[in-house]
Amino acid sequence: QQQVKQSPQSLIVQKGGISIINCAYENTAFDYFPWYQQFPGKGPALLIAIRPDVSEKKEGRFTISFNKSAKQFSLHIMDSQPGDSATYFCAASRSSGDKLTFGTGTRLAVRP
Amino acid sequence: DSGVTQTPKHLITATGQRVTLRCSPRSGDLSVYWYQQSLDQGLQFLIQYYNGEERAKGNILERFSAQQFPDLHSELNLSSLELGDSALYFCASSLAVSTDTQYFGPGTRLTVL
Repeated sequence: QQQVKQSPQSLIVQKGGISIINCAYENTAFDYFPWYQQFPGKGPALLIAIRPDVSEKKEGRFTISFNKSAKQFSLHIMDSQPGDSATYFCAASRSSGDKLTFGTGTRLAVRP
Repeated sequence: DSGVTQTPKHLITATGQRVTLRCSPRSGDLSVYWYQQSLDQGLQFLIQYYNGEERAKGNILERFSAQQFPDLHSELNLSSLELGDSALYFCASSLAVSTDTQYFGPGTRLTVL
């Protein structure tokens, strides 16, 4: 019940396009949903996070959409740039400070 | 730069050996987490320490152990190494157990030959 499923595995988007990555979870005890960005040779870095009390959170070009009833959440990257090319991981945890359960990752390539 | 440091950056060793990975959390952070990243298993939680005490355990093998010292740095010990232990090992830290954000270090790449 701890699994977080992420899709697609890889994504190619043209510069200026919208990148969309989806995640689904099973454990209804999860109440914190962060997205991490990882560049080759680096550790994951927190990009944006959401709690179930809101359906959407936007920070710059990055937006999380959250559907509690469907147990799904997604990351939208607007006006995608080549510098956004990285691997993106969704994650979930049960409470503040709890371990993170990660999705399998999405490798995003933004073509110039 | 997250402020979390890990050493060494790369480690190459042989099967059956023992290694120690070191992590220094961000200044002021009391909680340390260890994660393993492999191609087939993705990012998996191993263990968490808070202010020197073990707080949570994931699917950590019995051959693996960790500790957090009074100065809050942490070490992950891997023994009787097997080929399948080759992976990236990340340390993350957070301010307290009530804090959501975990900041990840750059990782240690372990290769077991």
